Amino acid sequence: KAGVTQTPRYLIKTRGQQVTLSCSPISGHRSVSWYQQTPGQGLQFLFEYFSETQRNKGNFPGRFSGRQFSNSRSEMNVSTLELGDSALYLCASSLGSGGSADTQYFGPGTRLTVL
Amino acid sequence: QKEVEQNSGPLSVPEGAIASLNCTYSDRGSQSFFWYRQYSGKSPELIMSIYSNGDKEDGRFTAQLNKASQYVSLLIRDSQPSDSATYLCAVNYRDDKIIFGKGTRLHILP
Repeated sequence: KAGVTQTPRYLIKTRGQQVTLSCSPISGHRSVSWYQQTPGQGLQFLFEYFSETQRNKGNFPGRFSGRQFSNSRSEMNVSTLELGDSALYLCASSLGSGGSADTQYFGPGTRLTVL
Repeated sequence: QKEVEQNSGPLSVPEGAIASLNCTYSDRGSQSFFWYRQYSGKSPELIMSIYSNGDKEDGRFTAQLNKASQYVSLLIRDSQPSDSATYLCAVNYRDDKIIFGKGTRLHILP
């Protein structure tokens, strides 16, 4: 079974631009969560999508948004990029129906650098 | 505010010894607990999950959960240099989002 895939793997943008990251979950997984990881803050939860609906949201500004498609693939968008948005963005998928189904499997991540 | 606390380390352990990693969490309603390993520059990979009080063993790894003390730990027996990584504790609060600790850096000394 294929794992979680994320594209692109690396991205360089300038301040003020916007970016879209993509995540394809493990086949059969309906939940996709997004995290931002920086050396100082660790893994910070952005949001979770389940069956095309945002089920949970972290404490990030509205510049960070996401969506999920009917095939469970998810995209994350960051508008008006700031230098502080430079980070590793991780996507994790799970079955999403509680208990052991909450086990999350991570993709390789997208390394975003904002200049 | 739901929190997951870990000692940031680094924790240095001689090769062949037992490494003990600890994690505390703030919400008694927590139901699922996970340990992830993350090598530098890589994404986290699941080591173990535990849902009920007591010990759960998988090879050289043992997870221990004590809900009364709000404490979960990971023991690594016969530590190997390849175990050197950052270990992340994660807690799922009922149907809410999973909260990750900031991780403990483990260094196995050859």
